[in-house]
Amino acid sequence: DAGVIQSPRHEVTEMGQEVTLRCKPISGHNSLFWYRQTMMRGLELLIYFNNNVPIDDSGMPEDRFSAKMPNASFSTLKIQPSEPRDSAVYFCASSRQDRSGYEQYFGPGTRLTVT
Amino acid sequence: AQSVSQHNHHVILSEAASLELGCNYSYGGTVNLFWYVQYPGQHLQLLLKYFSGDPLVKGIKGFEAEFIKSKFSFNLRKPSVQWSDTAEYFCPRMNTGFQKLVFGTGTRLLVSP
Repeated sequence: DAGVIQSPRHEVTEMGQEVTLRCKPISGHNSLFWYRQTMMRGLELLIYFNNNVPIDDSGMPEDRFSAKMPNASFSTLKIQPSEPRDSAVYFCASSRQDRSGYEQYFGPGTRLTVT
Repeated sequence: AQSVSQHNHHVILSEAASLELGCNYSYGGTVNLFWYVQYPGQHLQLLLKYFSGDPLVKGIKGFEAEFIKSKFSFNLRKPSVQWSDTAEYFCPRMNTGFQKLVFGTGTRLLVSP
């Protein structure tokens, strides 16, 4: 099992540029979560999907952030335009809606730096 | 709102010392509780979970946690820590009826050799 795959692992971009983060969940998992981690705010849930449908996007900071899940094996988180305060580590996690589990498996994260 | 509190933000221990990290949750329906560990520069990994049944839960790497309903607590314990346990520890809860994990601030543990 390859686990949750995220790309890129590191991204450095200039303010105003568009940034796209990618995530491939574990095969067979039907829920996908996007988190942001910063020193100041800790871990924050941005949005999560169930069966490719966005269920709760209340954590998305503002309209500059958007997320899609076109199919069960791929999701993107886009920031347009990016700002220095978006610098953080972005984690993707997936889980299987199953009474024996519900635990989320986290990817390695994408460290985003906006200059 | 359903929340989680981790009162110890930083803990420093010597190797072989016993560990107990506090985790308290707000009252609110069915409680599903977890402990995750994040080693430096790495992603979160599940240590253990509690959904129901035996309130004493055994996890990986020698960790355990006890769910005490009367105290709204789910403290993490390990009888003897190692330098390799240096990490940040989180005890999120799962909101009733949802799959969202609600995280606290985390506890940074430093184990000195």
